[in-house]
Amino acid sequence: QSVLTQPPSVSGAPGQRVTISCTGSTSNIGAGYDVHWYQQLPGTGPTLLIYEDIHRPSGVPDRFSASRSGTSASLAITGLQVEDEGYYYCQTFDNALSGNWVFGGGTKLTVL
Amino acid sequence: QVTLRESGPAVVKPTQTLTLTCTFSGFSLTTERMCVSWVRQTTGKALEWLARIDWLDDKYYQTSLKTRLSFSRAASKNQVVLTMSNMDPVDTGTYYCVRQPTTTSGSGAFDFWGQGTVVTVSS
Repeated sequence: QSVLTQPPSVSGAPGQRVTISCTGSTSNIGAGYDVHWYQQLPGTGPTLLIYEDIHRPSGVPDRFSASRSGTSASLAITGLQVEDEGYYYCQTFDNALSGNWVFGGGTKLTVL
Repeated sequence: QVTLRESGPAVVKPTQTLTLTCTFSGFSLTTERMCVSWVRQTTGKALEWLARIDWLDDKYYQTSLKTRLSFSRAASKNQVVLTMSNMDPVDTGTYYCVRQPTTTSGSGAFDFWGQGTVVTVSS
C-alpha cells in the first residue's frame, strides 16, 4: 500500500483532457515537500515529467501540467494523444518513519 | 550528457546477497547537492525508493529495508555500489540507478534514470 494514493486507471479519447490525482497526508504533500511526476511508457523506464510541483523539463510538451493543494496534487493532460498511453507516478518526500522518498502506486492511462 | 548504467547479476538465489553497480557520467557526485539513488519496480509496477548517497557521502535507506541495504562509492569516482542482503523472491524486479539533485525546498526529483537491470530471485 503506497503512502501516496493514485487512481489505478483513467481513460480518455484522443484530444480530451484527463486528470490524475495524488493524495497524501500531512507528513508528505501537506508538509510542503515538492511533488514530482513521472511517465512510464510501455516497455521503458520512468522519465521525469513534472518537477517541483509545476515545472516541465526541457522537451515535455505544455499539454502536461500539474498543481497542488493541501495534502493532494494533480496532473492534467490536455489534447490526449495515443502516445501518452502508459503509467504515471507522483513522488515526494515523507518525514514520518525517519524519512523516505515515496511514490504513488501509479495510474494507468488508456487512450481510447 | 547525463547517463547512468546499472550492472549486476540477472539471477540470485534466495538468501544470497545482491550487488549492483551504477556507472554514471555527465555529472560528479562531489558537486554540492548532487545525489544518486536506487529505485526498484517490483511485480505490480509499483516504484519503491531504496537508498540514496549524497555529495557528502551520507547515506539514507528505505526504513523497511534498512537492515538489508548498504550503499557505497566504488574505487572509481563515477561508480556507486548497492548491496542488498538476504534476497527473497518478492525482491524480484527491475532496479534503477537514478540521479537526484537535492534542493533546499523539498524532496528532490529523480531527473535522470538508468535503463534498469532486471533481477530475478529464484532457486
